[in-house]
Amino acid sequence: DGGITQSPKYLFRKEGQNVTLSCEQNLNHDAMYWYRQDPGQGLRLIYYSQIVNDFQKGDIAEGYSVSREKKESFPLTVTSAQKNPTAFYLCASSPQSEKETQYFGPGTRLLVL
Amino acid sequence: GQNIDQPTEMTATEGAIVQINCTYQTSGFNGLFWYQQHAGEAPTFLSYNVLDGLEEKGRFSSFLSRSKGYSYLLLKELQMKDSASYLCAVRTWGKLQFGAGTQVVVTP
Repeated sequence: DGGITQSPKYLFRKEGQNVTLSCEQNLNHDAMYWYRQDPGQGLRLIYYSQIVNDFQKGDIAEGYSVSREKKESFPLTVTSAQKNPTAFYLCASSPQSEKETQYFGPGTRLLVL
Repeated sequence: GQNIDQPTEMTATEGAIVQINCTYQTSGFNGLFWYQQHAGEAPTFLSYNVLDGLEEKGRFSSFLSRSKGYSYLLLKELQMKDSASYLCAVRTWGKLQFGAGTQVVVTP
């Protein structure tokens, strides 16, 4: 089955700790995205990548980092510089065609201890 | 900057029709998407408009007026399972900008 997987489903972070959220897709999509969603709010773009070994900052990139070493994978690291990391994190991918929608993974909920 | 507005919440009864409006002010418009999102789950694609007019897909229809910066999603024959948040998203410069979402509550 083709799709996007994210792991873990829930993640706990301690003060001063970096954590990495996994995102894998087997849809052969070129573009991948990371969003953050806070309660009662829409999705805000953190980082996106339109091709392997290249990525761009979104609207709220501070305190986050990404890599895109393989087409299938786009991990997101939440660093200790992100002071308010508690949120629902969604990964998405899409073909390069402008008419195509983005397909979303099931999400990771990050909580701070 | 980008600005996408939609109502926070709407309530309707089962079997009724609900229209969710979305207004936007963006540069580089290249399409508008509607997504459905149930609590704690990922958004799922509902519809896409890039030209003016109405797109119909079963019980869901979406309309776009580019000159007015306006779209709506029409949900007909409401079912209890339609209770969810509905997100309007505008594509600009290869990225999606999302509204805050409209929570639709369907009552018996």
